[in-house]
Amino acid sequence: ELKVEQNPLFLSMQEGKNYTIYCNYSTTSDRLYWYRQDPGKSLESLFVLLSNGAVKQEGRLMASLDTKARLSTLHITAAVHDLSATYFCAVGLMKTSYDKVIFGPGTSLSVIP
Amino acid sequence: DAGITQSPRHKVTETGTPVTLRCHQTENHRYMYWYRQDPGHGLRLIHYSYGVKDTDKGEVSDGYSVSRSKTEDFLLTLESATSSQTSVYFCAASGGREETQYFGPGTRLLVL
Repeated sequence: ELKVEQNPLFLSMQEGKNYTIYCNYSTTSDRLYWYRQDPGKSLESLFVLLSNGAVKQEGRLMASLDTKARLSTLHITAAVHDLSATYFCAVGLMKTSYDKVIFGPGTSLSVIP
Repeated sequence: DAGITQSPRHKVTETGTPVTLRCHQTENHRYMYWYRQDPGHGLRLIHYSYGVKDTDKGEVSDGYSVSRSKTEDFLLTLESATSSQTSVYFCAASGGREETQYFGPGTRLLVL
């Protein structure tokens, strides 16, 4: 059974600082997704990582995937208040033709001045 | 949002009544999903569809049924609503396993 963990679950950081959110999963997977959710809103896709060593960057966010370690990271550079949200990783199940994924519990990020 | 709408957006119902939630997409995505989101549980898959009239169960399917008679519509039915089904329900759609899932705005359901 695929299990997905995120660390930390809650993160309060100051503007301008850097930090990393970790996503660990328990079995082999070939794809991983990062989503953002603002309070009371839907989920917004951030990144799709499809291979070992994949790295993607968008603005102050950079995501990477290490399939051998079963680990993905979401690195935040020089945080700003607008990045306050909950971030979910989701891991795709192998041997499925459809996009079935298991979501992590989410990391609630609060960026304070 | 890739053209995904959900209706209703909010609903209050009583225990024991049937409830149907509708998801509509305009992008001709093959795969569609229903999730529920509860505090402390993240998102959990209820049912999914991999084509018209092709559906299967997810992690938490008990008490729910689905139907997909057209590519664009995916219906979720709570056959006899219970208070434990109070939740926020999200519909999602994707074009395939290497593509992201696009989520609808969500439906807040309260079962009294």
